[in-house]
Amino acid sequence: VTLLEQNPRWRLVPRGQAVNLRCILKNSQYPWMSWYQQDLQKQLQWLFTLRSPGDKEVKSLPGADYLATRVTDTELRLQVANMSQGRTLYCTCSGEGWGRDTQYFGPGTRLLVL
Amino acid sequence: QQKVQQSPESLIVPEGAMTSLNCTFSDSASQYFAWYRQHSGKAPKALMSIFSNGEKEEGRFTIHLNKASLHFSLHIRDSQPSDSALYLCAVTSGGNYKPTFGKGTSLVVHP
Repeated sequence: VTLLEQNPRWRLVPRGQAVNLRCILKNSQYPWMSWYQQDLQKQLQWLFTLRSPGDKEVKSLPGADYLATRVTDTELRLQVANMSQGRTLYCTCSGEGWGRDTQYFGPGTRLLVL
Repeated sequence: QQKVQQSPESLIVPEGAMTSLNCTFSDSASQYFAWYRQHSGKAPKALMSIFSNGEKEEGRFTIHLNKASLHFSLHIRDSQPSDSALYLCAVTSGGNYKPTFGKGTSLVVHP
């Protein structure tokens, strides 16, 4: 059973252009939703954890700027801007905060820079 | 700032061997410790986690945690070719539940 759906699954992003990603939760028993990035060297990095509809957070990291929004109980969004190197973004869900319950990963969205 | 280091970077073992992967961390207030496995081209998958000193076993996998030595490890008994993957460890510093990951150990189990 797939808990998380991510779209798009991949995208070519012209340099300087922003891209919007969506993550849909299929089972509301796992309401803690997060975003992670994995760079081309396979380094995984936690970005955000958003529990409630209306939650928003921003972050600037080397290589990209991020805006995350918890839209509804079942939808999480991520806007990626100013990306200079490709990466993969994973959405995750769990029953409680990190470390307290099993965490499940979505299939990921691979972003490549044109 | 939490520093997490994994060793070795890569490992090749024969089928049936015991495999040991290591992770060290810098923050003595760290609370939760986890291992993930990522097969090539796939998303990471949580393997096991632990939050108190000692040992935890699930099937062929065992985690050892020693907070005093800032070290935890993953041991795979009877390693199988299907265990070939990138293994990532992660740690949270006390109180914030924001994990920091190591760079990974690439494991190859050859038949």
